[in-house]
Amino acid sequence: NAGVTQTPKFRVLKTGQSMTLLCAQDMNHEYMYWYRQDPGMGLRLIHYSVGEGTTAKGEVPDGYNVSRLKKQNFLLGLESAAPSQTSVYFCASSYVSPNTEAFFGQGTRLTVV
Amino acid sequence: AQSVTQPDIHITVSEGASLELRCNYSYGATPYLFWYVQSPGQGLQLLLKYFSGDTLVQGIKGFEAEFKRSQSSFNLRKPSVHWSDAAEYFCAVGLLEYGNKLVFGAGTILRVKS
Repeated sequence: NAGVTQTPKFRVLKTGQSMTLLCAQDMNHEYMYWYRQDPGMGLRLIHYSVGEGTTAKGEVPDGYNVSRLKKQNFLLGLESAAPSQTSVYFCASSYVSPNTEAFFGQGTRLTVV
Repeated sequence: AQSVTQPDIHITVSEGASLELRCNYSYGATPYLFWYVQSPGQGLQLLLKYFSGDTLVQGIKGFEAEFKRSQSSFNLRKPSVHWSDAAEYFCAVGLLEYGNKLVFGAGTILRVKS
């Protein structure tokens, strides 16, 4: 039972480069989320999706794009990476029912130089 | 706007001592509240959750939390801390009307001294 899997685990980018982070869940969850974690700021929501083919902006969406072409996958793209996007990125997923928790991946540590 | 405040950035307790981590939230509707724990280099693990009913909820690893609506608080407690409890703890409120998304506090880093 894999749960929520993120790839890659680590990445170093140069300013201006692009990349895509992949999140895959095998729990048949409807909802999926991308958060970034920065010291002293907790986790902040970048984008989320309430179902296949849908996406919505979170608190800090600028500089990121997402896609949910398949129910089990949620992709986070950086078109032109900036040093301010150096962070740890977490994907999560959950059921529609409100009395349930979100399950988190192990994180992707991204450094932009 | 919804927000979660964890007033203590760092807390140090002796092994075997009791622990209380504070959490206050700002949210207009009935809150869904969570405590997560994160060990260094790891993802987040759910400790406990509150949705309704009994305001004292029990979680894993001997943790409990009490929901106090009048104080907009959801403090986490443990009677006797173990060295393995050293980690960062996050309080969060879930927003039902926004795809159950979570709004997190800034976190509290717990250090345990022997």
